[in-house]
Amino acid sequence: GAVVSQHPSRVICKSGTSVKIECRSLDFQATTMFWYRQFPKKSLMLMATSNEGSKATYEQGVEKDKFLINHASLTLSTLTVTSAHPEDSSFYICSARDTSRGRAEAFFGQGTRLTVV
Amino acid sequence: EDKVVQSPLSLVVHEGDTVTLNCSYEVTNFRSLLWYKQEKKAPTFLFMLTSSGIEKKSGRLSSILDKKELFSILNITATQTGDSAIYLCAAWPSDKIIFGKGTRLHILP
Repeated sequence: GAVVSQHPSRVICKSGTSVKIECRSLDFQATTMFWYRQFPKKSLMLMATSNEGSKATYEQGVEKDKFLINHASLTLSTLTVTSAHPEDSSFYICSARDTSRGRAEAFFGQGTRLTVV
Repeated sequence: EDKVVQSPLSLVVHEGDTVTLNCSYEVTNFRSLLWYKQEKKAPTFLFMLTSSGIEKKSGRLSSILDKKELFSILNITATQTGDSAIYLCAAWPSDKIIFGKGTRLHILP
C-alpha cells in the first residue's frame, strides 16, 4: 500500500512553546490530507482537512489559530500546535488518500505522541 | 450531521470464537465504508466497501456492506490473541473520513 510518513513520532515540549508535526506521502501525491486527534481509549477525531495550495478546512470546535495547517506541496502537510498547553497533549495522526490511481482508502502516518509539560 | 456508530464498544471473547462487529452510518454523499485495525499506534487498513452485498475477505476477516440499511459488519472467525485491538469503522462522504468510536476487542487465550 501507499506509504505515509509522520514525524516526529514522539515529542515532549514545554508549555507555551510551539510544535510542528510533518506528514509526508512518500510514494504518491496527496492533494488532500487529514489531521486527526485521538484521546486515550477514544476514537479518532477529525480536526481538519488539508488541501494542497489552499486553506485547510477545520472541523467545528477546532481552533484555526491554535492548530496551524500548511499543505505547501503535494507530498507534505504540516500541523503546528501553537502555544501548546498540557491539554493539547494527545496522539495526533495524519492520513492521506492516493486518488491518482483511483484509490480511495486513506493511509495513515505512524502518529505523533505529543506531551506538553 | 454525519455520524458513524459502532457496536459493541467493547467485546471480550475466548480464542477460537467468532465475533461480529457492527457499524451503522448516516452520512450525506456516501462513497465508501472503511474498516481499520488499531493496535498500539496508527490504524492499519483492512477493507474498503463501496458496493452493497459484496463480501470482502482477507484470511479470517470478512466484511460486507448494506447500503439500503446503512450498515456494515466485520466478521472475524477462529479468533486469535493477535486479533486483540480496536476496530474502527469509517464512512467517507465527500472529501473527509468520519470515524466511529471503535470496538475494543479483547481475545482471551
